[in-house]
Parts: sequence; structure tokens; C-alpha cells
Amino acid sequence: GDSVTQMEGPVTLSEEAFLTINCTYTATGYPSLFWYVQYPGEGLQLLLKATKADDKGSNKGFEATYRKETTSFHLEKGSVQVSDSAVYFCALSDFNSGNTPLVFGKGTRLSVIA
Amino acid sequence: NAGVTQTPKFRILKIGQSMTLQCTQDMNHNYMYWYRQDPGMGLKLIYYSVGAGITDKGEVPNGYNVSRSTTEDFPLRLELAAPSQTSVYFCASSSRASADNEQFFGPGTRLTVL
Repeated sequence: GDSVTQMEGPVTLSEEAFLTINCTYTATGYPSLFWYVQYPGEGLQLLLKATKADDKGSNKGFEATYRKETTSFHLEKGSVQVSDSAVYFCALSDFNSGNTPLVFGKGTRLSVIA
Repeated sequence: NAGVTQTPKFRILKIGQSMTLQCTQDMNHNYMYWYRQDPGMGLKLIYYSVGAGITDKGEVPNGYNVSRSTTEDFPLRLELAAPSQTSVYFCASSSRASADNEQFFGPGTRLTVL
């Protein structure tokens, strides 16, 4: 079945450091890919998405590129801020294959220190 | 437009008690989902629904029941609460019209079973 694997945390960075959170996937169809963010005490919010190969999703300085050849969707940010401290989830939707629910990775906790 | 709302925000149950977690969305979404998030873990799908009157099991349905009598509401029922059901519960919804199945999440219900 479909699955998502993302790097284990926690990740601790200093403010203005470069961030990479790795995410790879397996899917039977042609999935859409997502990064969701969960701030402390809150629900999940969509951070960015990409729906086809070579698409780049971006939002709030975060970027991720849909790489079909490496089945990856790594999240990057050039300069993190304390306010970016949260848990980040990679997810896929194999919607076009008839699978409705999202498949989530286990999440990566990011802590940014001043 | 409130999005996805969940009640209650917090609840403590005794073993064997029952309760219903409420979820309502005002976006006229066809699809609705219940997930649970255990500490340090990702999200696991409990049940989902593709429309009023239609529900289906997810990865971890045991101990739970759902119903979908209207498009807006998707309550989750715990009949005989057990400590293993201590978790944070998230409801989500998405639109059939969405090409990529982006899901919108509620703020969560934190449940403790003692």
C-alpha cells in the first residue's frame, strides 16, 4: 500500500539556519503531495502542496519539489525563525486511484532556538 | 465561515464510560475523516465518510463508531472507553471537487481515559 517516510526528529536549529526535512513516498498511482504543520496545541494546517512531478510548492519561505524519479518531497527553508517551531507532517493523496484518505508520515518536530 | 469545528476540546473519561466527539464543517465538503494522534506519533485514520449515509473503516476502527446523517456533521462514538483510547482526536474534511484532496482539520479533542 501507499506509505510516507520522513526523517525522525526532533530537529533543533538556531535561528536563521537552513532547514531540510526529508520525505520519501511509495504509491501505486500518481499522488498529490503535501506538507502540513502543527503548531503547539493546534490542529494541522496545510503548509504547501504539489500535484504533479517537478511541481514546486511554496509558502511562508518553505519550499518542496515533487521529485518522481527519487519519489521524494523534501521540505526546505533558507532561514528558520523561532516561530517555525512546530511538528511537520509529509502526506500523500492517491486520490486518482480511488483512495480517499491521506497517508501521513510520523511527523518531524522542529525546535528553533534564538 | 468557521471551517471544521470540534467539541469538546478536552475530556476525561473513566474506563467503561461512553461519549460522542462532535465534528461539524460548514464548507459543504463531501468527505470527512476522523484521525487519532498518539504522543510522538503521526495520525492514524479511524473512520471516514465520502458522503451522507456512507462510512468506511480506516486503519484503527476498533472501539469506535460513526454516523453521517448530514453533510455537515460526522460524530465519533466511543462506547466503552479504554485507556488505549487516550489520544488527541482530529476531524478533517475535503471536497470531492478538489483535484488533490487537500484536507482541512479541526482543532482537536484531547481525550484521557483513566
